[in-house]
Amino acid sequence: NAGVTQTPKFQVLKTGQSMTLQCAQDMNHEYMSWYRQDPGMGLRLIHYSVGAGITDQGEVPNGYNVSRSTTEDFPLRLLSAAPSQTSVYFCASSPHVGQARQPQHFGDGTRLSIL
Amino acid sequence: KQEVTQIPAALSVPEGENLVLNCSFTDSAIYNLQWFRQDPGKGLTSLLLIQSSQREQTSGRLNASLDKSSGRSTLYIAASQPGDSATYLCAVRFLSGGSYIPTFGRGTSLIVHP
Repeated sequence: NAGVTQTPKFQVLKTGQSMTLQCAQDMNHEYMSWYRQDPGMGLRLIHYSVGAGITDQGEVPNGYNVSRSTTEDFPLRLLSAAPSQTSVYFCASSPHVGQARQPQHFGDGTRLSIL
Repeated sequence: KQEVTQIPAALSVPEGENLVLNCSFTDSAIYNLQWFRQDPGKGLTSLLLIQSSQREQTSGRLNASLDKSSGRSTLYIAASQPGDSATYLCAVRFLSGGSYIPTFGRGTSLIVHP
């Protein structure tokens, strides 16, 4: 019962570098989403996916790309890291809308610092 | 824009007190509402999920209520303990838009001191 697994847990980047945050779930959930959490700002939605091959933008999508080639994986790519992207990133999953009565599950987060 | 607001932002109480955390939302057309707990440096743990057709849910010392017409939910914690110290987040799945992706409040940071 791994649930939602995020890697890495910590990462330090230099401005301008690119990287991919990994997220995998083993619950066969159709919905997956990425949030960032900043002090005093709560969780803000970056991108989400309602199924393999389908993605959409959330509240703060600029500077990030996502893809959903499989049900299990939903990686988040930082194209050219900026200090403003220093944050804690959370991946979440939940069942299909028809089962949206079920709770959302979260990974443990990736703490990212951009120097 | 659909918004979720949590009041107060921070709360400090002595051990043993009963307390209420508030969550308000701007659109009464919701699918469900979920309360989470987040410990410092950790991820989110689901506490209670209330469907739009329900009025309350209970788990141990926790009771969450939902009043859609007024756009409000409360999380009641009975006989608080130092181990309850954490940030509590409210997340609402709104019906409009069709994505059912939850919208989060900014959380209430709770400290229960011995």
